[in-house]
Amino acid sequence: DAGVIQSPRHEVTEMGQEVTLRCKPISGHNSLFWYRQTMMRGLELLIYFNNNVPIDDSGMPEDRFSAKMPNASFSTLKIQPSEPRDSAVYFCASSHQGALSHGELFFGEGSRLTVL
Amino acid sequence: AQTVTQSQPEMSVQEAETVTLSCTYDTSENNYYLFWYKQPPSRQMILVIRQEAYKQQNATENRFSVNFQKAAKSFSLKISDSQLGDTAMYFCAFPPGNTGKLIFGQGTTLQVKP
Repeated sequence: DAGVIQSPRHEVTEMGQEVTLRCKPISGHNSLFWYRQTMMRGLELLIYFNNNVPIDDSGMPEDRFSAKMPNASFSTLKIQPSEPRDSAVYFCASSHQGALSHGELFFGEGSRLTVL
Repeated sequence: AQTVTQSQPEMSVQEAETVTLSCTYDTSENNYYLFWYKQPPSRQMILVIRQEAYKQQNATENRFSVNFQKAAKSFSLKISDSQLGDTAMYFCAFPPGNTGKLIFGQGTTLQVKP
């Protein structure tokens, strides 16, 4: 089975540019999560979706960040305009939430973003 | 606030020896899961072991086991017969409020030395 697929794996851009990160969750999973990892702040939850609906976006840093999940097999995280402090590894994870769920999250390989 | 704390930023162990990574958490819930994830240099987060809070028996997965102390809200990971491939960052994680999301500790970087 294919795992969570993220693209791009690496992105280098200049300050002010728009960045779009993409994620394909595991088929059949109904929850999707976006995390950000930095040395200073560790792993932070940015936003998560249940059944394509955003449930909690309290971790989104500011209005420059937005996330969408137009269908069960695709999500995007967009940063516009990007700033150097957005440099981090962004992880997408998915899970199946339900009565028999153990709560395990399955992670993609992450997208390393560098904003110059 | 529900938190997860890993107080050991870095640890090292000789190959074939045993090492224990500590984790404490804070919650008022009674039924929940706890997780340890491994992040090797390749960066991908991999589940190591899971513990169900209503089970008194500590979870074990091959060389990995936990010491779960519910009253003390402690959830440590023991790695026996350490191998070079165990070198990674290890994160303790907890799902607050059965929402499905996980909050992670700060991580412990483990170096296994030959």
